[in-house]
Amino acid sequence: TQLLEQSPQFLSIQEGENLTVYCNSSSVFSSLQWYRQEPGEGPVLLVTVVTGGEVKKLKRLTFQFGDARKDSSLHITAAQPGDTGLYLCAGVNTDSWGKFQFGAGTQVVVTP
Amino acid sequence: EPEVTQTPSHQVTQMGQEVILRCVPISNHLYFYWYRQILGQKVEFLVSFYNNEISEKSEIFDDQFSVERPDGSNFTLKIRSTKLEDSAMYFCASRGVRGPYNEQFFGPGTRLTVL
Repeated sequence: TQLLEQSPQFLSIQEGENLTVYCNSSSVFSSLQWYRQEPGEGPVLLVTVVTGGEVKKLKRLTFQFGDARKDSSLHITAAQPGDTGLYLCAGVNTDSWGKFQFGAGTQVVVTP
Repeated sequence: EPEVTQTPSHQVTQMGQEVILRCVPISNHLYFYWYRQILGQKVEFLVSFYNNEISEKSEIFDDQFSVERPDGSNFTLKIRSTKLEDSAMYFCASRGVRGPYNEQFFGPGTRLTVL
């Protein structure tokens, strides 16, 4: 079983501050996805990273895949209250049929 | 924009009863999944389905669970005799072609409450 550890579990910051969320594993993933989940709703796909060292940007969100494809980070610049949510990373190995292993998530709270 | 839909949004049932959770994946997708999320816990993989058969399943997916694609659009998860510990959010997901990006799109979920 490939375990994904996310840190921190909870993050509370003021509007305008920056934050970074980490996703780590001892296993190699062929791709890794970041999702955001609101209470009572399904995960919403934010980004997919595939290549080691890959960096993707989505407005104020920057996603990076580690060189060894074992870890990833999500950095939010100048956080806004609308960024509040549960951020999940999920990894997959192409040896499987696309089964995702999810991290436990990082709850981000951005206060005005 | 195409999306995965699920019905019902909330299902309440008595322990021992059968429930069927329904999903309509994105129309041109070929791979279908069920995941569950117990309140306060991480999302867990249950089963993947491709070409009208189960391709992979987890330990959670025991004989009480079954999946079916009865027609060209619906994908169902059946729990034959529900237990209290089956209470969770159940998410359906679908994916298009197999490839490195493997992007799965999730439905809004069905909240199952077993009393």
